Amino acid sequence: GAGVSQSPSNKVTEKGKDVELRCDPISGHTALYWYRQSLGQGLEFLIYFQGNSAPDKSGLPSDRFSAERTGGSVSTLTIQRTQQEDSAVYLCASSVRQGNTEAFFGQGTRLTVV
Amino acid sequence: RKEVEQDPGPFNVPEGATVAFNCTYSNSASQSFFWYRQDCRKEPKLLMSVYSSGNEDGRFTAQLNRASQYISLLIRDSKLSDSATYLCVVKGAGAGGYNKLIFGAGTRLAVHP
Repeated sequence: GAGVSQSPSNKVTEKGKDVELRCDPISGHTALYWYRQSLGQGLEFLIYFQGNSAPDKSGLPSDRFSAERTGGSVSTLTIQRTQQEDSAVYLCASSVRQGNTEAFFGQGTRLTVV
Repeated sequence: RKEVEQDPGPFNVPEGATVAFNCTYSNSASQSFFWYRQDCRKEPKLLMSVYSSGNEDGRFTAQLNRASQYISLLIRDSKLSDSATYLCVVKGAGAGGYNKLIFGAGTRLAVHP
């Protein structure tokens, strides 16, 4: 497809389980971002990938969160031992690196931890 | 202090009103600036980039003041369809993250008949 694709669109999981969220960015976009948005709140930066450079992980809230980007394309965000406070919409965005460029968002994964 | 701060809102205005949103950022090394719009339960989408000389797109005008580290968005002749949350976005605001996009918490606008 032409846009950023995220899956699943909704995920309900039990507290303590691990979850994997997937992001398929726009082809050719070298920058990929993960954000988290809790209900009624702003976007919280989690992690940023740029080409083959080391990712900026400064926003990951704990060591239960990790992300990888294979082959410079698809990215997976993994949350281990999920907690209720992890419930949020997880948004992925991609952009072309250079210049004053737009970031395109996927529709997000709504994660509910029960 | 937050890296990107916005008016708390919400702004409730009648159709046809002019409304202005303000935003400040903390890192003077920030490189690029944007306004995004987010509709309820939807993903954010770019409204407009913000250029140093100021720029206009129809009813929307964006201004940047690098010396004051201040960004603004002016919406003229508000329409019902302008109701949304407006997000101020700064690129390169984070420590060591020169291409990282940092979002403000957003200002909610509600335009009523």
